[in-house]
Amino acid sequence: DAKTTQPPSMDCAEGRAANLPCNHSTISGNEYVYWYRQIHSQGPQYIIHGLKNNETNEMASLIITEDRKSSTLILPHATLRDTAVYYCIVRYNAGNMLTFGGGTRLMVKP
Amino acid sequence: GAGVSQTPSNKVTEKGKYVELRCDPISGHTALYWYRQSLGQGPEFLIYFQGTGAADDSGLPNDRFFAVRPEGSVSTLKIQRTERGDSAVYLCASSLGGGVTDTQYFGPGTRLTVL
Repeated sequence: DAKTTQPPSMDCAEGRAANLPCNHSTISGNEYVYWYRQIHSQGPQYIIHGLKNNETNEMASLIITEDRKSSTLILPHATLRDTAVYYCIVRYNAGNMLTFGGGTRLMVKP
Repeated sequence: GAGVSQTPSNKVTEKGKYVELRCDPISGHTALYWYRQSLGQGPEFLIYFQGTGAADDSGLPNDRFFAVRPEGSVSTLKIQRTERGDSAVYLCASSLGGGVTDTQYFGPGTRLTVL
C-alpha cells in the first residue's frame, strides 16, 4: 500500500468545518483512499472511501485532487464527539490488510 | 444490525500463560481480519481469513501466535507463552468479501495485559 502523510494533530472549533489533509503522492491508479477514525478506547470506525471522484455520505465528504496525490476529509459541522484520531489509508486492489499510519489527532473545542 | 463483537473486553494474564481471544464477525461476512494496536500506535495487521482458511498470515509476529476460523464464522486468536511485549489491544474486523471496496468493520477490541 502507498504511504500516506498526515499532520499529527489539528484543532477545530465546534460547529465549524474540519478539513483533514492527507498526502499520498506515490498512489497508483488502482489504489483507493480510505478514511477511518478511532475515538478513544474504541475500534476504528469507517468513514468514507473513494478512487477518483469526490464522495459524500452522511458523515463526511472526501475531496481527491485530480492527480490523486492528495485528499481532504471534510467534516462539515464538527461536534465535540468528532474528537478522535483520523487515519487516511490507501488500499491496493486485492490487498487485504489496511495499513494504518500515525493518523491526525483532531481536537474539537467548544 | 449486530456489529463485530469481541470477547473478553479485557484480559489480564501472567507471563508464560496461554490466552485465547474470540471474535464474532458480522453475519454473512466471509472475510475476517485480526490487528494489534500498541499504545499510541495505529493498528497493525496480523492475519486475514477468507472463509475457513488463512489467506494471509504475514503479520503474525512469531510462531507463538496462531488463529483459527474452523466454520468460517467465529475466529479465535491464540497466543502461547505470553510475553510482556504482547500487551496490546487486539482488534478484529470483518468485511463482506476480501476485495478493495469491501469495507472492513471493526470490533471494540480486547485489551490484553501480560504481567
